[in-house]
Amino acid sequence: EAGVTQFPSHSVIEKGQTVTLRCDPISGHDNLYWYRRVMGKEIKFLLHFVKESKQDESGMPNNRFLAERTGGTYSTLKVQPAELEDSGVYFCASSVITGGRQFFGPGTRLTVL
Amino acid sequence: GENVEQHPSTLSVQEGDSAVIKCTYSDSASNYFPWYKQELGKRPQLIIDIRSNVGEKKDQRIAVTLNKTAKHFSLHITETQPEDSAVYFCAASRGDQGAQKLVFGQGTRLTINP
Repeated sequence: EAGVTQFPSHSVIEKGQTVTLRCDPISGHDNLYWYRRVMGKEIKFLLHFVKESKQDESGMPNNRFLAERTGGTYSTLKVQPAELEDSGVYFCASSVITGGRQFFGPGTRLTVL
Repeated sequence: GENVEQHPSTLSVQEGDSAVIKCTYSDSASNYFPWYKQELGKRPQLIIDIRSNVGEKKDQRIAVTLNKTAKHFSLHITETQPEDSAVYFCAASRGDQGAQKLVFGQGTRLTINP
């Protein structure tokens, strides 16, 4: 089966611009998670969807970040306006059941100049 | 909230030797402990996981041990090979409703020297 896919693989934008990241989970996986790794530090949780509902958004850093999962399939993460500290690798993961194994996508490397 | 500490940050071993990476967690309610391997430029790959009702789990050259009392768990790789070189992340999760997020350690860069 196809794994988790993310688009784009890389994005370079200027401070103040808007970027939208996309994640397509493994087919049939109701649970979708966003994480990010900043400056070689640990991978940190951002939020968790169950189908189209936000189950846990405790990791979202501020209101410049907006995640959506309309229809319960793919998800988007929008950063508007982007700041320098938003640079990092954004990972998406999915699991078939709540509390189940999470499978990661390849990540989107975001660079804010 | 949960905090996961991982040691060492870097580890270099000779091919064929064993490697051990250790993690401690703070939340006694955590009950799921996966390990991920990330090769350069690739996605984090789940290599083994353990739940708190089990003390040890093996899969070929990889094993994970869990000590719930001490709140620590370890990854053991035996007979290391060059392809084991990667960054390894431990993680912990409560796994219950509303708390499935993984809390990761800082990562260990493992280098296998031929």
